[in-house]
Amino acid sequence: AQSVTQLGSHVSVSEGALVLLRCNYSSSVPPYLFWYVQYPNQGLQLLLKYTSAATLVKGINGFEAEFKKSETSFHLTKPSAHMSDAAEYFCAVRVAGGYNKLIFGAGTRLAVHP
Amino acid sequence: DTAVSQTPKYLVTQMGNDKSIKCEQNLGHDTMYWYKQDSKKFLKIMFSYNNKELIINETVPNRFSPKSPDKAHLNLHINSLELGDSAVYFCASSQPAGAPTDTQYFGPGTRLTVL
Repeated sequence: AQSVTQLGSHVSVSEGALVLLRCNYSSSVPPYLFWYVQYPNQGLQLLLKYTSAATLVKGINGFEAEFKKSETSFHLTKPSAHMSDAAEYFCAVRVAGGYNKLIFGAGTRLAVHP
Repeated sequence: DTAVSQTPKYLVTQMGNDKSIKCEQNLGHDTMYWYKQDSKKFLKIMFSYNNKELIINETVPNRFSPKSPDKAHLNLHINSLELGDSAVYFCASSQPAGAPTDTQYFGPGTRLTVL
């Protein structure tokens, strides 16, 4: 079975600091991996996705993630945090076999303080 | 120009009642989904329809019944509401799996509170 684990339910950074949100996956087949962001009282928005092309994936709002097969990781980073980045971030893996079914991690709440 | 819309945004009701949540997408997608997000923010798929046909049906109580009158609409009807049904329900849509762009687009959510 495929799954993702997000390490750290809460991450707090200073404005301008590096953002690092961790995601590890479990999959017996090459995975399709996603990062979504959820701002307060809103739906989820896709930040970026990995679909077995380049291992370094660039997304919206300055975020990027690197697929590392040896570490089964897909960590999300941003060089410099903005106050507007405060949100809930979800890592997800697509279940192999069709139907576009996503399995989400438990989420990481990012707080950005001045 | 809301891509995926849900109504209502908030729903407060008593235990035992029956309620419906509606979802509409104007993206021309063939596939639609219902997700449940619990109080701990854990997000889990419930159902998916592709062109009005049910393709994903997770372990969900029979009290939950999705209905897709056409491929732009996917409604969720819940019978005999229970306290544990309190959650935020998200609708999403996408092109079918394997399409060049099959990203899922989410609606704003419906916060259901059962008293």
